[in-house]
Amino acid sequence: GAVVSQHPSRVICKSGTSVKIECRSLDFQATTMFWYRQFPKQSLMLMATSNEGSKATYEQGVEKDKFLINHASLTLSTLTVTSAHPEDSSFYICSARDEIASGELFFGEGSRLTVL
Amino acid sequence: SQKIEQNSEALNIQEGKTATLTCNYTNYSPAYLQWYRQDPGRGPVFLLLIRENEKEKRKERLKVTFDTTLKQSLFHITASQPADSATYLCALGGTGGFKTIFGAGTRLFVKA
Repeated sequence: GAVVSQHPSRVICKSGTSVKIECRSLDFQATTMFWYRQFPKQSLMLMATSNEGSKATYEQGVEKDKFLINHASLTLSTLTVTSAHPEDSSFYICSARDEIASGELFFGEGSRLTVL
Repeated sequence: SQKIEQNSEALNIQEGKTATLTCNYTNYSPAYLQWYRQDPGRGPVFLLLIRENEKEKRKERLKVTFDTTLKQSLFHITASQPADSATYLCALGGTGGFKTIFGAGTRLFVKA
């Protein structure tokens, strides 16, 4: 089946620095990718929809200047957490839909961000 | 607002038994419902999708039912194995740009 690769899987950074997380669709093209945030024992919360070649669509309450999303190609979307603070520590997951094959939503392995 | 409810308490069952997980939803008329498996520290893995006009779907040891009147889906794992231990997420999706929304998941423990 289709694979979505997410990198890095774990990252630790100091407060005030920026962190970039990459999401790649390995064997299909994705015009749309999704970024989620998940706290322990809670559901995936959609942060934004990443649209290839255009601006991302952010969910209510998500700061677009804080969480920068770039979808520069049909196989790559990036999420940059700018000026990270300890409260940004979380599990970030991306997904992409293989719209041509099945419409199935494939998820990356997730990225655990810890801000010290 | 749209709401998905899954049993927050962990489900503990003996190996070989059938595990049944419940997903209830309100204020939503989904075009389809999906079930995912999530292991600790990993991203969700798609298991099954059932559409609004389908009552039941099976895949190997998995069975999903979808009752749009009750607004409920049941997820069954027959002949459960310790390797089935994981968190199972229910997700609702729609057409026309509706986003997929997820439940918090139910943790399943299968004891040998």
